[in-house]
Amino acid sequence: NAGVTQTPKFQVLKTGQSMTLQCAQDMNHNSMYWYRQDPGMGLRLIYYSASEGTTDKGEVPNGYNVSRLNKREFSLRLESAAPSQTSVYFCAGGLIAGSSYEQYFGPGTRLTVT
Amino acid sequence: KNQVEQSPQSLIILEGKNCTLQCNYTVSPFSNLRWYKQDTGRGPVSLTIMTFSENTKSNGRYTATLDADTKQSSLHITASQLSDSASYICVVSANFGNEKLTFGTGTRLTIIP
Repeated sequence: NAGVTQTPKFQVLKTGQSMTLQCAQDMNHNSMYWYRQDPGMGLRLIYYSASEGTTDKGEVPNGYNVSRLNKREFSLRLESAAPSQTSVYFCAGGLIAGSSYEQYFGPGTRLTVT
Repeated sequence: KNQVEQSPQSLIILEGKNCTLQCNYTVSPFSNLRWYKQDTGRGPVSLTIMTFSENTKSNGRYTATLDADTKQSSLHITASQLSDSASYICVVSANFGNEKLTFGTGTRLTIIP
């Protein structure tokens, strides 16, 4: 997971509270991604940023907003947290490696909403 | 709907033994198939990436195979080690980038001494 960092590692929120999950990469990735991972389900894309200044919705964007602050940083904001947003959140950076487009994941943020 | 199914859900084997994990997919169009290893409490780490034209790819003791006709892939682990205990996730991409990935739910592998 070297190169992609996330803060915080753990967070507990009450329903209705807001918070921002931070992600930073130092691998010169053009693309960055936010995923959530829930038990019994594969990772699902929330939002992504193909390049600095652009963001697009993924599969499950409702209840979230993102900001690509600069090339290094991509934050995920929960404006009004709900118990359904209890999950593990992963940030990833995208890099071209040979003929493929690789992804490098951060260590994750475990969020609990009560 | 694009889907990736993995089997078994979980597997326990003795250290030193070999094992094979399976992945079936219904993703269209197909660009590439990836296997990731995810240690408990950490993010996924890429093991292999295979495109349509590749049948097999190795990374140390990990060997992945791909049959694009039957839409099946397998990950074979040779001479397992305790450090191989992890979840192994099959991921299929519908485009060259990373915006159209379909993730499987993973196989939880436990190696016992």
